[in-house]
Amino acid sequence: DGGITQSPKYLFRKEGQNVTLSCEQNLNHDAMYWYRQDPGQGLRLIYYSQIVNDFQKGDIAEGYSVSREKKESFPLTVTSAQKNPTAFYLCATRGLLSNQPQHFGDGTRLSIL
Amino acid sequence: AQTVTQSQPEMSVQEAETVTLSCTYDTSENNYYLFWYKQPPSRQMILVIRQEAYKQQNATENRFSVNFQKAAKSFSLKISDSQLGDTAMYFCAFMKIPGAQKLVFGQGTRLTINP
Repeated sequence: DGGITQSPKYLFRKEGQNVTLSCEQNLNHDAMYWYRQDPGQGLRLIYYSQIVNDFQKGDIAEGYSVSREKKESFPLTVTSAQKNPTAFYLCATRGLLSNQPQHFGDGTRLSIL
Repeated sequence: AQTVTQSQPEMSVQEAETVTLSCTYDTSENNYYLFWYKQPPSRQMILVIRQEAYKQQNATENRFSVNFQKAAKSFSLKISDSQLGDTAMYFCAFMKIPGAQKLVFGQGTRLTINP
């Protein structure tokens, strides 16, 4: 999706290390979401934010943290407490109108070294 | 909590054939949206079609149409005149409204279109 930029495309984490995945959007969307996708499975919600300086846990928030200091940015930190971080991570955004779908970035593939 | 189930892990059809992907969901909510997303090998998530629960008319988008059965909590996707570019993972997703508009996804169906 042209308006959502996720970086890096590939990321490697060493044991005990925290890593941060970037998600930036220029769609002027208020809501932003982080999903995790494991092989052969659907997406599961990690965290979401509907407005700046506010965010809520999703279904699998343990071992992850986020911040929402700017409307355009919603970085996800995978902490050392997340014991199985290898997955594909997708960021999504959404406008406030109820009939608007979520738009997705191209994803970040995180692997353990 | 809502759940979404896609009972067909994999499907394969010949080019130009019609294929139907199944999706069922469980919810006590009355107001919601349902979506089909496509994830090709590039892993982008692309919206295929959406359906508002309050609308009885089934949504259509060119070669893609849905069969929405609210009472049965069923939401199948029909792809007509299938093309090689339709090869992808297809995910059914549920979104309650109003609220945070979080998506709940099914496990996905891997669709292969053969030449």
